[in-house]
Amino acid sequence: EVHLVESGGVAVQPGGSLRLSCAASGFTFDDYAMHWVRQTPGKGLEWVSLITWDGGSTYYADSVKGRFTISRDNSKNSLYLQMNSLRAEDTALYYCAKDNGSGYGTYFDYWGQGTLVTVSS
Amino acid sequence: EIVLTQSPGTLSLSPGERATLSCRASQSVSSSYLAWYQQKPGQAPRLLIYGASNRATGIPDRFSGSGSGTDFTLTISRLEPEDFAVYYCQQYGSSLFTFGQGTKLEIK
Repeated sequence: EVHLVESGGVAVQPGGSLRLSCAASGFTFDDYAMHWVRQTPGKGLEWVSLITWDGGSTYYADSVKGRFTISRDNSKNSLYLQMNSLRAEDTALYYCAKDNGSGYGTYFDYWGQGTLVTVSS
Repeated sequence: EIVLTQSPGTLSLSPGERATLSCRASQSVSSSYLAWYQQKPGQAPRLLIYGASNRATGIPDRFSGSGSGTDFTLTISRLEPEDFAVYYCQQYGSSLFTFGQGTKLEIK
């Protein structure tokens, strides 16, 4: 059974940094691309970032480009999101999601339960 | 960026009725790369449909998807009590991914 467990979400001040982690199990992690998706009550679901199976390619939403960095450690079955220069509008529940394929992204067939990031002074 | 617009915003129906949810794209979605998700309160989204019309593993056959180009539909043939939730469409062309704003399906 596929399990994705996010961690690292906390309250942080504007301009601060945070690193989210996602521990994956129940599937061959390095066969699949992975995503971060966030959700806010006001803006709904927003895709944040994608990393291909080998970490060779990464993609970002314009809203986070240059501030967030996605990475993975296939030896640890783990996905990460380094978040810098945080803004109030980054406040959201952040989901780790498994892609159905290995490459440039398709649909999200499994999701974690999310970790909450709050950016506030 | 492809913008997805879902309608209606809220749909009020009774168990046993048929639900029809719409998702319209601002430009053509290539190769019908469109998915539907169900989200219940306090839970993560769950994949229902991919490729516009293919049911995901374990999804009951009362759920069906159709459409192509810019117009897509999710149909629930006969509503069960557990089907009342929020539904999102999502397109996945060219390594950019966008969601619709959601349709809330509530009990009448």
